[in-house]
Amino acid sequence: TQLLEQSPQFLSIQEGENLTVYCNSSSVFSSLQWYRQEPGEGPVLLVTVVTGGEVKKLKRLTFQFGDARKDSSLHITAAQPGDTGLYLCAGARGGSNYKLTFGKGTLLTVNP
Amino acid sequence: DTGVSQDPRHKITKRGQNVTFRCDPISEHNRLYWYRQTLGQGPEFLTYFQNEAQLEKSRLLSDRFSAERPKGSFSTLEIQRTEQGDSAMYLCASSLSGQPQHFGDGTRLSIL
Repeated sequence: TQLLEQSPQFLSIQEGENLTVYCNSSSVFSSLQWYRQEPGEGPVLLVTVVTGGEVKKLKRLTFQFGDARKDSSLHITAAQPGDTGLYLCAGARGGSNYKLTFGKGTLLTVNP
Repeated sequence: DTGVSQDPRHKITKRGQNVTFRCDPISEHNRLYWYRQTLGQGPEFLTYFQNEAQLEKSRLLSDRFSAERPKGSFSTLEIQRTEQGDSAMYLCASSLSGQPQHFGDGTRLSIL
């Protein structure tokens, strides 16, 4: 059973376009992290959200945690080729904040 | 570079051989985690240490797998009698208690 569903699985867009990727679950998470992973490398932490309804911005990236802490979204404004990569969401549940459950990721390609 | 370091980066071995991977966490981090990632999937939790104590092991970690963190610093993950299905990227992460996990670049294992 996949606890975290990410959509879309693949996304190919042109430079300058905006996009949103989603991370959904039927489970409540105490915190949720977004990572970006490039081929042959480990995931790199982008942001952690912990409060329902929380919005965090990182330059052109906007992250939102759902009010019920079951879902999250990542919005990228004016995408650039350097944004290309696999975007992974990962949730920690209850007192088990040591054990992250990852989605399968959204593979984003930004074409120049 | 003071990030999480993993060695080797790549390992190719024949089925049935034993392999050992090493992870050096960020120096002040008391928690260390091992994950496995296969193609098209997000990382899956294997095990975690708090200092030198191994506190949880996933059901994914069969009895052919053993992990140690003898002095609460670096960790090793050994796989005995490797099988084709063990081919994957093995990722190590570290953190302070309750803080986000930071990943190394992984060891890619290929079983011939």
